[in-house]
Amino acid sequence: NAGVTQTPKFQVLKTGQSMTLQCAQDMNHNSMYWYRQDPGMGLRLIYYSASEGTTDKGEVPNGYNVSRLNKREFSLRLESAAPSQTSVYFCASGSGSLSNTEAFFGQGTRLTVV
Amino acid sequence: AQSVTQLGSHVSVSEGALVLLRCNYSSSVPPYLFWYVQYPNQGLQLLLKYTSAATLVKGINGFEAEFKKSETSFHLTKPSAHMSDAAEYFCAVSDGWNNDMRFGAGTRLTVKP
Repeated sequence: NAGVTQTPKFQVLKTGQSMTLQCAQDMNHNSMYWYRQDPGMGLRLIYYSASEGTTDKGEVPNGYNVSRLNKREFSLRLESAAPSQTSVYFCASGSGSLSNTEAFFGQGTRLTVV
Repeated sequence: AQSVTQLGSHVSVSEGALVLLRCNYSSSVPPYLFWYVQYPNQGLQLLLKYTSAATLVKGINGFEAEFKKSETSFHLTKPSAHMSDAAEYFCAVSDGWNNDMRFGAGTRLTVKP
C-alpha cells in the first residue's frame, strides 16, 4: 500500500525555470493538498482540491498553479521558479475536510532554486 | 484566522523522562486541534486529534494531549521518553469545517541516552 507518492524527491532549478511536482494517492481520497515547509514556519497550505475537478487557493498560492488530473493525482506547477520558492513541498490527502479528518502525507520534495 | 504557537523550537529530554511539548492556540470558534509527528526524511503522521469530545485525548505511541479552554492550550505529553520519539512535532488548529488548517512552527524533540 503506497499511500501518497510524490515525485521527484529532490530537484534543483535555476531561477526562471518551470517544473511540475507530481502527487498520486491510492486511498480513494476525495481531498488533496499541497503544502510547503520552511524552517521556523511550519507548514503552509498552497492549494487544495476538495474533490475531483475543483481546486482552491490556500494561504500562499502566489507563484503556483495546480491541476487535479483525476481522483488520484494532484500536481503543483511552478511556472517561473524564484529563490523564495526554495522549500520542502508536501502533498497530502484525506477522506474529507482537512480540518477534521486525518491527513496522509507524502515523503516530500526538496526543491532548491538557485 | 486561527493560529497556533509552539513554545520552544527545540526540546531535549533524557530517555525515560517526561516529554512535554507546548502548544497554545487562537481561534474565534471552538477549535479542532491536532498533533502531527515528522520523522527524519518522512512526511507528517497524525499522533492525535481533539474534536470537542473528551478533553484528554490519547494518541499513538503513548502520547496524549489535554485541551484546556481556559488556557487556550493543547500540550502534548508522554510519561517516559524513548529514543524512537526523536522527531519534529507539529501542533495544528482548524475551525472544523473548511480546509484552512494552520500549523505551528514545530518543536524538534531530542532524546538523550
